[in-house]
Amino acid sequence: DVKVTQSSRYLVKRTGEKVFLECVQDMDHENMFWYRQDPGLGLRLIYFSYDVKMKEKGDIPEGYSVSREKKERFSLILESASTNQTSMYLCASSYGIYNEQFFGPGTRLTVL
Amino acid sequence: QKEVEQNSGPLSVPEGAIASLNCTYSDRVSQSFFWYRQYSGKSPELIMSIYSNGDKEDGRFTAQLNKASQYVSLLIRDSQPSDSATYLCAVSSTDSWGKFQFGAGTQVVVTP
Repeated sequence: DVKVTQSSRYLVKRTGEKVFLECVQDMDHENMFWYRQDPGLGLRLIYFSYDVKMKEKGDIPEGYSVSREKKERFSLILESASTNQTSMYLCASSYGIYNEQFFGPGTRLTVL
Repeated sequence: QKEVEQNSGPLSVPEGAIASLNCTYSDRVSQSFFWYRQYSGKSPELIMSIYSNGDKEDGRFTAQLNKASQYVSLLIRDSQPSDSATYLCAVSSTDSWGKFQFGAGTQVVVTP
């Protein structure tokens, strides 16, 4: 079975803090994705990566950066957290770019 | 702007009945279609993927794709209370670099 894990299920941070969200997949997938999900706004793509050290902006990259130093790990970084970044963050991975995406359990981030 | 449209619901279905969910999409070059189930507070879980016109069955679930009419549907037979969730439709296009367009989801409530 595909396994995508995320470093935290719940996280509370202060405004201005630097926040790291980690995602690891164990299926040798090429592609990895970071989404955020908010009530009424659905799933929105922040960044994705189709190879190690490669990254592409999604629909809402502002305020975020990413890092992919190893194939299995994709990190989302909030350089200076703000209250409008309070959200559910979901990581996903896929083998091919048109194939199924498998999601991790999500991280519920609250920025105070 | 590529769009994926779903009725938000809630769709109320008696236990044992068939739940029918619909999804329409605007991008004619879409080629991969997926249904996800999401329980409240949890991450999306892949139920079905479909790539070619026609029906695809997996247990109590049947996905139907009609590319000419640009819709994909999901049937849930013998609905159970455990099927109560939000169902997300996702579409991937040949020109989207593996980026999915997600619908807003249809909430299904199965009543005993």
